[in-house]
Amino acid sequence: AQSVTQLDSHVSVSEGTPVLLRCNYSSSYSPSLFWYVQHPNKGLQLLLKYTSAATLVKGINGFEAEFKKSETSFHLTKPSAHMSDAAEYFCVVIPYSSASKIIFGSGTRLSIRP
Amino acid sequence: GAVVSQHPSWVICKSGTSVKIECRSLDFQATTMFWYRQFPKQSLMLMATSNEGSKATYEQGVEKDKFLINHASLTLSTLTVTSAHPEDSSFYICSASTQVAYEQYFGPGTRLTVT
Repeated sequence: AQSVTQLDSHVSVSEGTPVLLRCNYSSSYSPSLFWYVQHPNKGLQLLLKYTSAATLVKGINGFEAEFKKSETSFHLTKPSAHMSDAAEYFCVVIPYSSASKIIFGSGTRLSIRP
Repeated sequence: GAVVSQHPSWVICKSGTSVKIECRSLDFQATTMFWYRQFPKQSLMLMATSNEGSKATYEQGVEKDKFLINHASLTLSTLTVTSAHPEDSSFYICSASTQVAYEQYFGPGTRLTVT
């Protein structure tokens, strides 16, 4: 069965320090992996995606994620947090199957301390 | 590119009335559209998947007679909440895709409040 687990429901960091949001997946097939960000009362904005090309994926706003097949992980990182990064982040998996559906993680709320 | 709009962005209605939410793909043809519901501080819950010109496929537990979905064209899908009740109050988000198992492009969401 396919699944995605975001290991932290809430992460709090100080402005200017690194951000790490963890995501592990389970998929029978080679998946496509995504990170989305959602600000309050807004829709989802795509940060970055992995679709079987380079394992280190760079996204918008300085975020990047590394696909590690051996660890079944796709953790999101940013070297230096900004106050505007405070939001909800969702890790999403689309298993490589025409009959499969998008699978959402439970979300991680990122708070930034001044 | 790949912009999805929703209208309205927020709506307040009285209990017992019906509300229609539109989802449009502005610069691409969406063969598949998805409707999600999101409760406060929770992840998105898929309600239904619709393909242009055919009936929507509803997820288990979603009442198809209450949440009517129409996907009449490759750029427009509508969700109608019939006989709305306060428990239907939620954030509704649509997304669109060119294929079922590929990247989805999300709309900005519609906040529904039923009084």
